[in-house]
Amino acid sequence: GDSVTQMEGPVTLSEEAFLTINCTYTATGYPSLFWYVQYPGEGLQLLLKATKADDKGSNKGFEATYRKETTSFHLEKGSVQVSDSAVYFCALTRMDTGRRALTFGSGTRLQVQP
Amino acid sequence: EPEVTQTPSHQVTQMGQEVILRCVPISNHLYFYWYRQILGQKVEFLVSFYNNEISEKSEIFDDQFSVERPDGSNFTLKIRSTKLEDSAMYFCASSERFRGNMNTEAFFGQGTRLTVV
Repeated sequence: GDSVTQMEGPVTLSEEAFLTINCTYTATGYPSLFWYVQYPGEGLQLLLKATKADDKGSNKGFEATYRKETTSFHLEKGSVQVSDSAVYFCALTRMDTGRRALTFGSGTRLQVQP
Repeated sequence: EPEVTQTPSHQVTQMGQEVILRCVPISNHLYFYWYRQILGQKVEFLVSFYNNEISEKSEIFDDQFSVERPDGSNFTLKIRSTKLEDSAMYFCASSERFRGNMNTEAFFGQGTRLTVV
């Protein structure tokens, strides 16, 4: 079945450091890919998405590019802030098969220190 | 900004008891979902609901679980006889009608933490 693998956390960075959180997926066909973020005490919020190969999703300084050749969707940010501290989830759906349910990775906790 | 609302935020129940988790999806949304996250584990899909019926469910969603849209605003998840392993954070989500092959965003609630003792 479909699956998403994320790098283990926590990831601890200093403010203004460069962030990469790795995400790879296993799925046949053409999944849509997402990054969700969960701030402390809150629900999951969509951060960015990409629906086809080579698409780049971006939001709030975060970016991720859908790489079909490496089945990856790594999240990057050039300069993190303390307010970016949260848990980040990579996820996919299979709209090509009519499946709307999200398949999530295990989540990566980011801690940004001042 | 419209949001998905879940109540209660935390529920403690005894093993074997029935529990109902409640959700108010965003008003113009037509697809509704329940997910759960056992502490320290992945967020897992349970069920999706459209047009007053289940459209998709996972193997987790067995006969102990049921969903209902009792009126025009609420969407509920019922667990008939809770087990210790049902302890988790339960997330409700909703999305707009699907447009062509474009996946519309799912908006999540803040979750209900269910503790079975």
